[in-house]
Amino acid sequence: GIQVEQSPPDLILQEGANSTLRCNFSDSVNNLQWFHQNPWGQLINLFYIPSGTKQNGRLSATTVATERYSLLYISSSQTTDSGVYFCAVEGPGGYNKLIFGAGTRLAVHP
Amino acid sequence: KAGVTQTPRYLIKTRGQQVTLSCSPISGHRSVSWYQQTPGQGLQFLFEYFSETQRNKGNFPGRFSGRQFSNSRSEMNVSTLELGDSALYLCASSPRTGANVLTFGAGSRLTVL
Repeated sequence: GIQVEQSPPDLILQEGANSTLRCNFSDSVNNLQWFHQNPWGQLINLFYIPSGTKQNGRLSATTVATERYSLLYISSSQTTDSGVYFCAVEGPGGYNKLIFGAGTRLAVHP
Repeated sequence: KAGVTQTPRYLIKTRGQQVTLSCSPISGHRSVSWYQQTPGQGLQFLFEYFSETQRNKGNFPGRFSGRQFSNSRSEMNVSTLELGDSALYLCASSPRTGANVLTFGAGSRLTVL
């Protein structure tokens, strides 16, 4: 099956710093989403981005499907950005079966 | 537009009991999928339902089952609970099955004693 690897596993930042999170996947995908899991456990959808580049405020994401990776950029980080960021992919014929990476745990300190 | 609603949010059971969790999808969404999150295994796919039919199933024992009703609401059931079933169970809905945005609920946190 498809393997999803995220790096780095942990990241500590000072407020205002920028960061890049990476997601590598092992095969072609129909679906790639980035999520932020808040302290209460809810997964918040950040981007649906099987290919290309998208931006939403201080966050942006790029997926290079031919090279099987995706990047999530966080600029001018805030303490509210803290939490775990997950990349999840769905293979062909996946019927919404998302395969999640292990996540990047981000801590932003004031 | 209401989001994905999961009930109950927290529950405690003892080994050997069974549990039923409920998920109400976003209005108009016909696909509901379920995931289990544990510290050791991370987020794992359980199953997906679309128009009352199970379309895909993850690698979980038969103690884990689910169903979807005509109004797209879904339930999952775990029978003969084991300590290892303690987890956050997350439900996601989407308009269709495959290659589209999944929106997750807040989850049901199950503790098995």
